[in-house]
Amino acid sequence: GAGVSQSPRYKVAKRGQDVALRCDPISGHVSLFWYQQALGQGPEFLTYFQNEAQLDKSGLPSDRFFAERPEGSVSTLKIQRTQQEDSAVYLCASSSPGPPYEQYFGPGTRLTVT
Amino acid sequence: AQSVTQLDSQVPVFEEAPVELRCNYSSSVSVYLFWYVQYPNQGLQLLLKYLSGSTLVKGINGFEAEFNKSQTSFHLRKPSVHISDTAEYFCAVSDGRSGANNLFFGTGTRLTVIP
Repeated sequence: GAGVSQSPRYKVAKRGQDVALRCDPISGHVSLFWYQQALGQGPEFLTYFQNEAQLDKSGLPSDRFFAERPEGSVSTLKIQRTQQEDSAVYLCASSSPGPPYEQYFGPGTRLTVT
Repeated sequence: AQSVTQLDSQVPVFEEAPVELRCNYSSSVSVYLFWYVQYPNQGLQLLLKYLSGSTLVKGINGFEAEFNKSQTSFHLRKPSVHISDTAEYFCAVSDGRSGANNLFFGTGTRLTVIP
């Protein structure tokens, strides 16, 4: 594929609603990462997949956050019962195994919780 | 764990002047180092990376950075900036002991090029 794509680009949710954010990585990239970028901050790691296996979810801020990648390609980040502090840009990145370990980022999904 | 400090949150510079964006990291293990650029409403684009070898790394758009292990720094430089370089710049580090690893980012430096 041309690059990492994410949808939707913008999402407005009322507090308490559930949201699902989608990431389509570059074809053939086995590693997939989710980051959260609050306004004026650098991205912060949420979770990491290698193929379909979620190898690290240490960055997920609460049990309301859940990510999956059932077939080792497309990934979905789900946030249940959204709160205002969840408002941020959610970035997805993918990379191929081995050097140079470069992560390619998608454009992000801007989530606003009202 | 790794961490990154970008001391300058904003750097204004006149067009065609040189610029240096500072980055310091802390880590108890070997690291990989990266600089990314983010234009408004876009994702992150890799400018350059240091994995091993020569400590002077050249990247896209005329940028370069130098890895200094003793000072734990990875400052980004460009000898002559253009208006189009106005953007947010992020320094990032990852664990260099193994393969694909999550990145730890600094808080970013907003570069504004003044005509």
